Amino acid sequence: DVKVTQSSRYLVKRTGEKVFLECVQDMDHENMFWYRQDPGLGLRLIYFSYDVKMKEKGDIPEGYSVSREKKERFSLILESASTNQTSMYLCASSPPLPHSPLHFGNGTRLTVT
Amino acid sequence: EDKVVQSPLSLVVHEGDTVTLNCSYEVTNFRSLLWYKQEKKAPTFLFMLTSSGIEKKSGRLSSILDKKELSSILNITATQTGDSAIYLCAYRGDQGGKLIFGQGTELSVKP
Repeated sequence: DVKVTQSSRYLVKRTGEKVFLECVQDMDHENMFWYRQDPGLGLRLIYFSYDVKMKEKGDIPEGYSVSREKKERFSLILESASTNQTSMYLCASSPPLPHSPLHFGNGTRLTVT
Repeated sequence: EDKVVQSPLSLVVHEGDTVTLNCSYEVTNFRSLLWYKQEKKAPTFLFMLTSSGIEKKSGRLSSILDKKELSSILNITATQTGDSAIYLCAYRGDQGGKLIFGQGTELSVKP
């Protein structure tokens, strides 16, 4: 079974802090994704990566950056956390096959106060 | 702009009822449509649909795609309290693999 592990289940940070959300997958998948989930808005794509050191902006990249130094790890960085970044963050991975579903982690619920 | 719209956004039913969840899409390229179930944690994969009119089935859940109407439905028969969850619909428009999601339908099944 694919395992996607997000380092924290709950996180509370202060406005202006730099925040790192870590995601590790154990299935040697090339593709990795970061989404945020908010009530009424569904999942929105922040950034994604199809290979090591490669990254592409999703639909809502403002205020975020990412790092993919190793194939199994994809980090989401909030350079200066703001209250409107309070959300559930979901990481996912998939192999580079045209009809593969995404496999999700359990999510990190981030609260910025 | 590509988008996916789900309806209803929330639904409350009683055990034993049958429910139909809707997903419509407006996209420039279409490769596949996927359904996920999300309880308190990670969304779990239910179905992937690529061809119109072919029903996918798993136990009490089934789904079908209508490319002419740009829509898909997810049916759940004889609902149980364990079916309570958010059901997510997503489409894939390019080869890379990213999914674009709808808002989700929150289903609550009462005993």
